[in-house]
Amino acid sequence: QKEVEQDPGPLSVPEGAIVSLNCTYSNSAFQYFMWYRQYSRKGPELLMYTYSSGNKEDGRFTAQVDKSSKYISLFIRDSQPSDSATYLCAMSAVLSTGGTSYGKLTFGQGTILTVHP
Amino acid sequence: GAVVSQHPSRVICKSGTSVKIECRSLDFQATTMFWYRQFPKQSLMLMATSNEGSKATYEQGVEKDKFLINHASLTLSTLTVTSAHPEDSSFYICSAKDVSSYNEQFFGPGTRLTVL
Repeated sequence: QKEVEQDPGPLSVPEGAIVSLNCTYSNSAFQYFMWYRQYSRKGPELLMYTYSSGNKEDGRFTAQVDKSSKYISLFIRDSQPSDSATYLCAMSAVLSTGGTSYGKLTFGQGTILTVHP
Repeated sequence: GAVVSQHPSRVICKSGTSVKIECRSLDFQATTMFWYRQFPKQSLMLMATSNEGSKATYEQGVEKDKFLINHASLTLSTLTVTSAHPEDSSFYICSAKDVSSYNEQFFGPGTRLTVL
């Protein structure tokens, strides 16, 4: 079983739709949760960064974390064709006393999203 | 802010040659940089973690003698693919962590390596 599971899609929605992207994880040590957007042949761009359970909103994007269920979501409201990209969830654990594992991200497989006009 | 650049963006080389990829944090100091590779339609796989002034920590299965990493300053890390072979063809992406950030990483635009 992978530490982070993400439905690879592809997901195709009409412009204006609400998009829901999800990841589940098995490692209870994960404390930091991120969503990245990656356009084709480009590096990932950080969209949202959360630490605690609950919701965090930034414009059309809302990140939701449920640590009790080990489940995170990203919602995109009023989706636009420019939102078409691959969305990657990523998470990391708390700094260990060993010191070398901090900041190490574990990524989901990525969900390919297409928003058509 | 938080811009990371990579050079070159694309490189094509012959089998057996070595290729160096640079990763720079342009507007912040990065104590830690990470190197990933990504195959088509797959997620990022961490290759190694690079701390300024010390040896890189490689992930299991990554040959440290083949993928040489140098992090000589707080703004520059290099990845050298030695004696490259066609199976090394991939998209290589670096990321950098700001000294003031605990976990937030900023990614470079990636380097497309094609080995003929």
